[in-house]
Amino acid sequence: ETGVTQTPRHLVMGMTNKKSLKCEQHLGHNAMYWYKQSAKKPLELMFVYSLEERVENNSVPSRFSPECPNSSHLFLHLHTLQPEDSALYLCASSQDRRTTNEKLFFGSGTQLSVL
Amino acid sequence: DQQVKQNSPSLSVQEGRISILNCDYTNSMFDYFLWYKKYPAEGPTFLISISSIKDKNEDGRFTVFLNKSAKHLSLHIVPSQPGDSAVYFCAASARANYGGSQGNLIFGKGTKLSVKP
Repeated sequence: ETGVTQTPRHLVMGMTNKKSLKCEQHLGHNAMYWYKQSAKKPLELMFVYSLEERVENNSVPSRFSPECPNSSHLFLHLHTLQPEDSALYLCASSQDRRTTNEKLFFGSGTQLSVL
Repeated sequence: DQQVKQNSPSLSVQEGRISILNCDYTNSMFDYFLWYKKYPAEGPTFLISISSIKDKNEDGRFTVFLNKSAKHLSLHIVPSQPGDSAVYFCAASARANYGGSQGNLIFGKGTKLSVKP
């Protein structure tokens, strides 16, 4: 148990659907992240939030829309996705965004399949 | 262009022997390196880290070695146990604001370790 909880664990959606991924951290951390893990690719950073403010958006298509209502919760809203968006989406948190010696604590991920 | 490379997608080792997982990086600005371990259906969990001011860090059965001149690090597991079977990710970050990505962890593709009883 890492203290970071993601729901749902699995999601199958059509290209016209709208769905949301949820992440909650119970560690009192100030920074939260969305990562994408596609088959045979490194983990790719998508978004970074620090103290509820989005500090980074790594050229992610607008069909992915993050939301961070408070420092404990992070959402990823999905709409009109493509089959190539099928991947494992991982949420992570860290104590602080401002140093490099930060360990990330990951959730178990949401395995997304877009049909 | 990959900045962190794990060139071996898989490694198989006998229980009790040493496992050596390798990682190469291209960005000389990286100054902090981490290893994460991932079991199926779980997220990655932190295993061990090393700062660029050191060349070795040890934690129980796990030791990470850093060779800055070769831009290479390795994770040694001794002795290997069946429970160590997992995917191991190497990650690196830079203190300076390199390409606007200060502090972001850059991951390799991972190496799948299988430890056979």
